[in-house]
Amino acid sequence: GAVVSQHPSWVICKSGTSVKIECRSLDFQATTMFWYRQFPKQSLMLMATSNEGSKATYEQGVEKDKFLINHASLTLSTLTVTSAHPEDSSFYICSARFGGDNYEQYFGPGTRLTVT
Amino acid sequence: GQNIDQPTEMTATEGAIVQINCTYQTSGFNGLFWYQQHAGEAPTFLSYNVLDGLEEKGRFSSFLSRSKGYSYLLLKELQMKDSASYLCAVLDSNYQLIWGAGTKLIIKP
Repeated sequence: GAVVSQHPSWVICKSGTSVKIECRSLDFQATTMFWYRQFPKQSLMLMATSNEGSKATYEQGVEKDKFLINHASLTLSTLTVTSAHPEDSSFYICSARFGGDNYEQYFGPGTRLTVT
Repeated sequence: GQNIDQPTEMTATEGAIVQINCTYQTSGFNGLFWYQQHAGEAPTFLSYNVLDGLEEKGRFSSFLSRSKGYSYLLLKELQMKDSASYLCAVLDSNYQLIWGAGTKLIIKP
């Protein structure tokens, strides 16, 4: 149980285009979903926290107009990287949490974005 | 500020035991997680400690001392597949996960 999927697993796009990444909780309802970015040989960096039906809370330094997050349902959150640039190339990972007293985060497999 | 410290890298031998330490200073404490992350993959859950003491789960054990702001992950009978990064994360008073930078564990035959 507690499976989280991400799509696509990897994507290559041209500079200036937008890319949408989907995160789905397959067998549970996720009250909260998290989006992380990870550069090579570095730790996870939390980008934003989203709760179903409300606006995402972005971490300091993360541009909310560039990284659009939509948490439309209890099983789906999307991250859209708008006007992508090569420096946005990274490994993007989502995670989901049940809610209540269970604070464990279940991670998706990640999406590797390369902007050329 | 909030801070979690772990060694950057450790090396151990196949079949041996290794202990990865984590110290933390956070605004409040609601539990500590250990995750394993293989290169190019997402983290996977290993353990969760909220009370002091040792939690054993197969070859892996995790220890917590809240008074010392200290935890360790103990890996026994090391296997080559244990080569990975090990992430320590603390749930603070706002129930936000604060992540350490991770410890890269290299296993040698």
